[in-house]
Amino acid sequence: GDSVTQMEGPVTLSEEAFLTINCTYTATGYPSLFWYVQYPGEGLQLLLKATKADDKGSNKGFEATYRKETTSFHLEKGSVQVSDSAVYFCALSDYSGGGADGLTFGKGTHLIIQP
Amino acid sequence: DTAVSQTPKYLVTQMGNDKSIKCEQNLGHDTMYWYKQDSKKFLKIMFSYNNKELIINETVPNRFSPKSPDKAHLNLHINSLELGDSAVYFCASSLGLAGGLETQYFGPGTRLLVL
Repeated sequence: GDSVTQMEGPVTLSEEAFLTINCTYTATGYPSLFWYVQYPGEGLQLLLKATKADDKGSNKGFEATYRKETTSFHLEKGSVQVSDSAVYFCALSDYSGGGADGLTFGKGTHLIIQP
Repeated sequence: DTAVSQTPKYLVTQMGNDKSIKCEQNLGHDTMYWYKQDSKKFLKIMFSYNNKELIINETVPNRFSPKSPDKAHLNLHINSLELGDSAVYFCASSLGLAGGLETQYFGPGTRLLVL
């Protein structure tokens, strides 16, 4: 079945540091890939997505590129802020079944940014 | 102007009780979902509905019964609550049945604690 593997945290960085959160996936079909963010005490918000190979999703300074050859969708940001502290989830949706597929999530990476 | 709303936000109850969680979306979406997030933040799809019809039931115990009175609402009823049901339950919605091409929008979550 489908699965998503992402680095487990917590990941602790200083403000303005460069961020990479690794995400790799396995899927039977041709999935779309997502990064969701969960701020403390809140629900999930879509951060960015990519629906085909070599697509780059970007939002709020975050970027991720859909790499089919390495089955990866790593999240990057050039300069993190304290307000980026949250849990980040990599997810995929494999619509090969043609139905209302749920998202398959990674286990989440807790990011802590220190001033 | 909340897009996906859930009630209640917090729910504390005793083992063996029956409880319901309500979800409503005002986005005009056709597809709705329930996810469970465990104590380790792992998210897993439970159900999906499209136009009030059940699409996915991911081997959830039959103590859990979703009900969709119309396509804007998907409620979750849980019978005979167990300690292991303690989790955060998220409702989500997406526009249609295009699977991975559709972004899912999440509610704020319902934190259920079974004592």
